[in-house]
Parts: sequence; structure tokens; C-alpha cells
Amino acid sequence: DQQVKQNSPSLSVQEGRISILNCDYTNSMFDYFLWYKKYPAEGPTFLISISSIKDKNEDGRFTVFLNKSAKHLSLHIVPSQPGDSAVYFCAASASETSGSRLTFGEGTQLTVNP
Amino acid sequence: EAGVAQSPRYKIIEKRQSVAFWCNPISGHATLYWYQQILGQGPKLLIQFQNNGVVDDSQLPKDRFSAERLKGVDSTLKIQPAKLEDSAVYLCASSLGVWGPGGNEKLFFGSGTQLSVL
Repeated sequence: DQQVKQNSPSLSVQEGRISILNCDYTNSMFDYFLWYKKYPAEGPTFLISISSIKDKNEDGRFTVFLNKSAKHLSLHIVPSQPGDSAVYFCAASASETSGSRLTFGEGTQLTVNP
Repeated sequence: EAGVAQSPRYKIIEKRQSVAFWCNPISGHATLYWYQQILGQGPKLLIQFQNNGVVDDSQLPKDRFSAERLKGVDSTLKIQPAKLEDSAVYLCASSLGVWGPGGNEKLFFGSGTQLSVL
């Protein structure tokens, strides 16, 4: 049972344009969501997070939007830069039922072309 | 600040052999996690320690996998005997403490150990 799904395995955008990465979840108990970025041969690194009490969180070029009714979140990167090329993982946790256990999506490979 | 250290970086073994991975978390981080990432999938939690106690091992295949955290610092993950389907990257992560509702704990991951079982 895949509770967190990233339906796009890959995404390619031009430098300077917006990158939009999508994530859907099925578990209504999830109340905290995160995005991690992973470069080859490195571990994932934390990028941005959002609590279920919010619908938007912004950090510089990165904004995460949460639509609880649709069980959908998205990561916007504006403007995209070649250094943003990496695999992006969406993750979620249900603090009341599973503590801090993160459930990850399959990842989306973002390629930003110069 | 030093990050999460893992070794070895790569390991190739034959099925039915045993293997062990080592992790040294960020100094002062109470919580330590082992994740398994199979190619094309997201990381999956195997076990979570709070100091030297196990918080969550519900997804650990206990018939072949074991883990311990010595004195609440370093940790080892062992597979015995290994199967072909254990081929994956094993990621260790640490964080300051256990989350609560609305918490903002961030996990810091090591570079992982890539295991190939032939």
C-alpha cells in the first residue's frame, strides 16, 4: 500500500522557469509533510516542511502548498537553477499514530537545463 | 559540524552471507534511524532508536535483520543471512529528538551503504 505517491518519475525544465513537483497521499492521519532533495551518491537533505495547520510555507525560492481536502501537496521552485537538478522526495508523518516515522514517496528526478 | 558517518560505502556479498553496517550520528542527536532504499523507491524505515532504546521496529524483518545502538551513540545494522532482495542502499539518519504534533524535526542522513547481494 503506497501511502505517498509521486506520479512523475522525472521532470525537465529550463533554467529560470518554475519547477512544480507533485505529491499525493492517502492516509488522512498524516499531519506533517516534508520535501527532501537527494544528489547522486549522497543521502537526502531536508529542504522544506509544512504542518497540516497551514496551506503554504515559503523559504526563498522554494514554496510548498498543501491541499488537505485533495490530499495533495506540491513543491514550487522559482526560479529554477541547474544546481536544483536532483531527486526530490516527498515524505509524510502521522505524529499521533506513528510518531516521527516518515513515509516517503518514490521520488521525482528534476533536471534543470541551462 | 560533522554529519552522519556511515561505513562501508559499498559492499558486495553473495546470498546467504552476513553483512554489517556502521553508523555514527551527529553529536548530541538522541534519535537514530535506519532506512532501506531499494532502487526506484523511496526510503523505508527499518528501525528507530531513541537514545539506546528501540522506538519503532515494526518494519524490520526480524528473522534476518538486527540492529543495536551502543551506549546511545553508534549503531550497527546486521543482515544474516542476506537475500537477493536485500540489495539496496541502507541509509542512517539522526535527529535531535522525537517529534510531537506540529513538530519540525529534521532528519540528517548519511551518504548510505550500497549493498549488492549476488
